[in-house]
Amino acid sequence: KAGVTQTPRYLIKTRGQQVTLSCSPISGHRSVSWYQQTPGQGLQFLFEYFSETQRNKGNFPGRFSGRQFSNSRSEMNVSTLELGDSALYLCASSLEQTGELFFGEGSRLTVL
Amino acid sequence: KNEVEQSPQNLTAQEGEFITINCSYSVGISALHWLQQHPGGGIVSLFMLSSGKKKHGRLIATINIQEKHSSLHITASHPRDSAVYICAALGAGNNRKLIWGLGTSLAVNP
Repeated sequence: KAGVTQTPRYLIKTRGQQVTLSCSPISGHRSVSWYQQTPGQGLQFLFEYFSETQRNKGNFPGRFSGRQFSNSRSEMNVSTLELGDSALYLCASSLEQTGELFFGEGSRLTVL
Repeated sequence: KNEVEQSPQNLTAQEGEFITINCSYSVGISALHWLQQHPGGGIVSLFMLSSGKKKHGRLIATINIQEKHSSLHITASHPRDSAVYICAALGAGNNRKLIWGLGTSLAVNP
């Protein structure tokens, strides 16, 4: 069974640009959550999607958005990138019944 | 003050030692996760528990709901256990978001 797949794994952008990250969950998992990890802040919750609906949202500005498709794949978008957006972005999928989290390898974003 | 606090922040042990990592939380939770993150970023879920104790191999996780405290124990530690261990509290009711501790960086020396 394939794990959680995140693309791209690494990317470099400049300030003001926008970026889209993709997450394909484990087959059968309908819940996808996104996290930002920076050295000083640890892991911060961005949002969670379930069956194409945003179920929960963390305390991030509106520049951070996401969506989930009917096949449970999810994307997150960051517009008007700032230097502070440089981070590892992780997504996790889970089964509603168990709640166990399965993480992707992450997308490492560098904003110059 | 973070809603989820871990201690210690850093831990160095000798191979074979018994290790304890602590996690305290101040919010109502429905479950608590323990996860392991190796250099390079990959995160692996170790335990999810809402009461009592769970054991998997050399790892044991306990939770005391009344005291809002959980511990992760590693018996007979090994250098391959070197990683960052993170606890995350899953909010109760409609507040289902995960609140993360900052992690405990463990180094086990041979």
